[in-house]
Amino acid sequence: GAGVSQSPRYKVAKRGQDVALRCDPISGHVSLFWYQQALGQGPEFLTYFQNEAQLDKSGLPSDRFFAERPEGSVSTLKIQRTQQEDSAVYLCASSLGRGTAYNEQFFGPGTRLTVL
Amino acid sequence: AQRVTQPEKLLSVFKGAPVELKCNYSYSGSPELFWYVQYSRQRLQLLLRHISRESIKGFTADLNKGETSFHLKKPFAQEEDSAMYYCALSGLSFKTIFGAGTRLFVKA
Repeated sequence: GAGVSQSPRYKVAKRGQDVALRCDPISGHVSLFWYQQALGQGPEFLTYFQNEAQLDKSGLPSDRFFAERPEGSVSTLKIQRTQQEDSAVYLCASSLGRGTAYNEQFFGPGTRLTVL
Repeated sequence: AQRVTQPEKLLSVFKGAPVELKCNYSYSGSPELFWYVQYSRQRLQLLLRHISRESIKGFTADLNKGETSFHLKKPFAQEEDSAMYYCALSGLSFKTIFGAGTRLFVKA
């Protein structure tokens, strides 16, 4: 079956623009995670959804970052007034069960955001 | 604070040689440890987790709580093992903490 998909795969934004990144998780997966991966670093946790509920948003770096998953399926990560330091690969992952314990996360291909 | 440290950014070995990718963690509790792998032009995927106690593609990892380590080992490296490897930790929260990664290069 289809894995996790993300769109767009590449996004170039001018500083100050708003961007929206989309994640389509594997059908039926309860949990959805967003990560930010800067060049040469490992993925850093941004936020976690269990169905439509955002249970942890402690990793969002500022109030310019906003994520939603209104129907418990597709999720959108929105970044307002983008800054150069927002340039990174944004990864989405989903898993069948709740939380992280005993649940394998399936990753999407990522969206590479470049802010000029 | 929760932290995962992978001290080597790059590890280069010859085909057939043993390989060990180091991972140390900091966590005040009982974490679940993972190794994720990313092959060239592929997405990040789970390689193994300590709770499963399994060997995947010849790789094993033992959780050493005394040394707070979860090193990944393989007795005989293959060229197809060349990839980026990330050690990761999950605890009671919903976060997974990743290390910075080690690039393994297996030379013919």
